[in-house]
Amino acid sequence: NAGVTQTPKFRILKIGQSMTLQCAQDMNHNYMYWYRQDPGMGLKLIYYSVGAGITDKGEVPNGYNVSRSTTEDFPLRLELAAPSQTSVYFCASSQAGGGADTQYFGPGTRLTVL
Amino acid sequence: GQNIDQPTEMTATEGAIVQINCTYQTSGFNGLFWYQQHAGEAPTFLSYNVLDGLEEKGRFSSFLSRSKGYSYLLLKELQMKDSASYLCAVMDSNYQLIWGAGTKLIIKP
Repeated sequence: NAGVTQTPKFRILKIGQSMTLQCAQDMNHNYMYWYRQDPGMGLKLIYYSVGAGITDKGEVPNGYNVSRSTTEDFPLRLELAAPSQTSVYFCASSQAGGGADTQYFGPGTRLTVL
Repeated sequence: GQNIDQPTEMTATEGAIVQINCTYQTSGFNGLFWYQQHAGEAPTFLSYNVLDGLEEKGRFSSFLSRSKGYSYLLLKELQMKDSASYLCAVMDSNYQLIWGAGTKLIIKP
């Protein structure tokens, strides 16, 4: 199993550009998450999904969009990139989303907006 | 508001023991997680506590006191490969993880 995969690993965007961060998992997990990690701060939840066709906002959703057309894939779309979106983005998945449910993380995408 | 506090950085010696503390104030509680994150890599799961007490897993142990809003991660027989950040996260009443900023652990020979 590859687990959770993310592409690209690195990306530099200009202000106002758009891009999609790809995330896929092969563990047949129902729940998927997008986080951003900024230096000196905890992971912040952007969006999450409890299953195909269902998505919901997390703590910091502004400037992002997601879709979940299949169980495996959960892409994150950045529209009109801003310097404040410079961050490391992690996708994660878990089986059921409950209390003891472990989240498994992808390797991350390091995004710089200039 | 919801808050997770842990020290920013700690230094310890190879072969020694180190305790990393975490205090939390959250809306509800559905368990506390510890993750390890090496520089430039993804977080990986270490432990989960939902009941008070100590959970031991090899060289790593995690303790929880729900009444005090407090947990610690205990690392024994430190190895150089344990140099990493250790992230404390609490699952709140909405089953979402609230993350601390992480504790960077530096191991010296």
